[in-house]
Amino acid sequence: DAGVIQSPRHEVTEMGQEVTLRCKPISGHNSLFWYRQTMMRGLELLIYFNNNVPIDDSGMPEDRFSAKMPNASFSTLKIQPSEPRDSAVYFCASSSTRGGQPQHFGDGTRLSIL
Amino acid sequence: AQTVTQSQPEMSVQEAETVTLSCTYDTSESDYYLFWYKQPPSRQMILVIRQEAYKQQNATENRFSVNFQKAAKSFSLKISDSQLGDAAMYFCAYRSTIKIQGAQKLVFGQGTRLTINP
Repeated sequence: DAGVIQSPRHEVTEMGQEVTLRCKPISGHNSLFWYRQTMMRGLELLIYFNNNVPIDDSGMPEDRFSAKMPNASFSTLKIQPSEPRDSAVYFCASSSTRGGQPQHFGDGTRLSIL
Repeated sequence: AQTVTQSQPEMSVQEAETVTLSCTYDTSESDYYLFWYKQPPSRQMILVIRQEAYKQQNATENRFSVNFQKAAKSFSLKISDSQLGDAAMYFCAYRSTIKIQGAQKLVFGQGTRLTINP
């Protein structure tokens, strides 16, 4: 099993630039989650999808953040324009909705906005 | 809404000793799932152990075991024979059995940073 695949692993860019983070969930998993982790705020759920449909985006901090899941094997999290306070580690996770299955996390993208 | 509380921001233990990390949660549900995740310095989030609330028997995975006290809403993690590789941030998480439009999210605690002293 390939696991959840995120890219890039690291991203450094200047403020104002558009940033796109990518995620490939585990095949067969129908739920996908995007998290942000910072020292100050810990692990925050940004948005999650079920069967490619966004279910809850109440954790998305601002309109500058958007996420899409065009098909069952791909999702993106976009920040436009980026700001230094967006610097964080962004995780994607996927799970099956069958009884109590855990979420499986990708290795995360460390994003640094200069 | 459910909440998960880890009251120990940091813990340390001597190598080969046993350590227990605390987790409490608040819910009005009777059936749910609980998890412990480990995040080492490599930043990967690794599932350590899972407990179904309807099971009275405490889950175990090698050196890792839980003490699940449903009435007290407590879910502590015991690590026996601590090893240097156990050093990590540990997160407790709650998952409802109720699906919202087919999906179930996790509610995480704030984490406990565990240091292993050689």
